[in-house]
Amino acid sequence: SQQGEEDPQALSIQEGENATMNCSYKTSINNLQWYRQNSGRGLVHLILIRSNEREKHSGRLRVTLDTSKKSSSLLITASRAADTASYFCATATTGNQFYFGTGTSLTVIP
Amino acid sequence: DSGVTQTPKHLITATGQRVTLRCSPRSGDLSVYWYQQSLDQGLQFLIQYYNGEERAKGNILERFSAQQFPDLHSELNLSSLELGDSALYFCASSAPGTRGEQYFGPGTRLTVT
Repeated sequence: SQQGEEDPQALSIQEGENATMNCSYKTSINNLQWYRQNSGRGLVHLILIRSNEREKHSGRLRVTLDTSKKSSSLLITASRAADTASYFCATATTGNQFYFGTGTSLTVIP
Repeated sequence: DSGVTQTPKHLITATGQRVTLRCSPRSGDLSVYWYQQSLDQGLQFLIQYYNGEERAKGNILERFSAQQFPDLHSELNLSSLELGDSALYFCASSAPGTRGEQYFGPGTRLTVT
């Protein structure tokens, strides 16, 4: 099975609200990354958090990492219609493998 | 635009055939990764090359092979194609000396009929 599982599978919110999505993984990691994908297009890197970091911010994005629980969360604050996309977590494992989660489909309603 | 280019954009071919997908990484990036994205399997890591050498192998089938050339572009060869190989194939590249962010190309959509 895949390394990463994301929750929820789909999320629909009003513009201006915050969106939170979670990712769980199974093995030891070097870092965890979040990506965004608009329908049928290439993934865009959002943020990377290393295994020795607990929280990271980038603009309206806040990522947390709990290595003891093997989980991460992505918070998008003050969401916009343009944030509508699928969001994936990706883990770079200590075994030199890369695993993407199943993705969360976010819809932001104007 | 990520700076990673992939050709062709679309490919339609029949079962049993062989195709080659091409990827050019961002200028200066030494690592190239290949991924397969399908509805039932999600995004699967296939293989990574670093400066011409295979660095890591994921869920790549034996019917698939890849290489990275001295000019750093990469090709993914898919042979004895099956209906289940229909998917989006992405290439990504990353900067040398990092295990950091990957920059994805626009993908090649392969349809096997």
